[in-house]
Amino acid sequence: GAVVSQHPSRVICKSGTSVKIECRSLDFQATTMFWYRQFPKQSLMLMATSNEGSKATYEQGVEKDKFLINHASLTLSTLTVTSAHPEDSSFYICSAPPGSPQETQYFGPGTRLLVL
Amino acid sequence: GDSVTQMEGPVTLSEEAFLTINCTYTATGYPSLFWYVQYPGEGLQLLLKATKADDKGSNKGFEATYRKETTSFHLEKGSVQVSDSAVYFCASGRAGFQKLVFGTGTRLLVSP
Repeated sequence: GAVVSQHPSRVICKSGTSVKIECRSLDFQATTMFWYRQFPKQSLMLMATSNEGSKATYEQGVEKDKFLINHASLTLSTLTVTSAHPEDSSFYICSAPPGSPQETQYFGPGTRLLVL
Repeated sequence: GDSVTQMEGPVTLSEEAFLTINCTYTATGYPSLFWYVQYPGEGLQLLLKATKADDKGSNKGFEATYRKETTSFHLEKGSVQVSDSAVYFCASGRAGFQKLVFGTGTRLLVSP
């Protein structure tokens, strides 16, 4: 089946630095990708919709300048957490629908971010 | 807005036991409903889905029925296996399944 990868799987960084997370669709093209954030013992919360060739659409309450999204190609979307702080520590998950709008999304394995 | 509530875990069962994980939703209208499973170190995978009231989704021995009257989509399996140990997420979705609203996830632990 369709596969979505994420890199890195986990990252530890110092407060104030920026971290880039990659999301790749390995065997299909994705004009749209989704970025979720998951806090411990909480739901996955949709952060933004990444659109190839255009600006991302952010959910209410998500800081655009904090979480920069670039959908550079039909197989790659990146999420950059800028000037990271400890409160940004979380599990970030991306997903992509492989084709027909009626198909479900395929999810990456997630990236664990820890900001010290 | 839409929301999904599912039972807290972990749920601990012995092999061959009966499984129920409760899920209820709130929404205007009738969203599509899903169960996703996440095995350790892997991404979420669609387990089953139902797109309208009274639909039953089933896969790998798991079943869930879309109950409009109780706004529920409980996950059941008659006989769990150790390999079913994972985290299970209930979710609702609209607009061609593009935007999903997730429950908090329920960890299932099955012992031999």
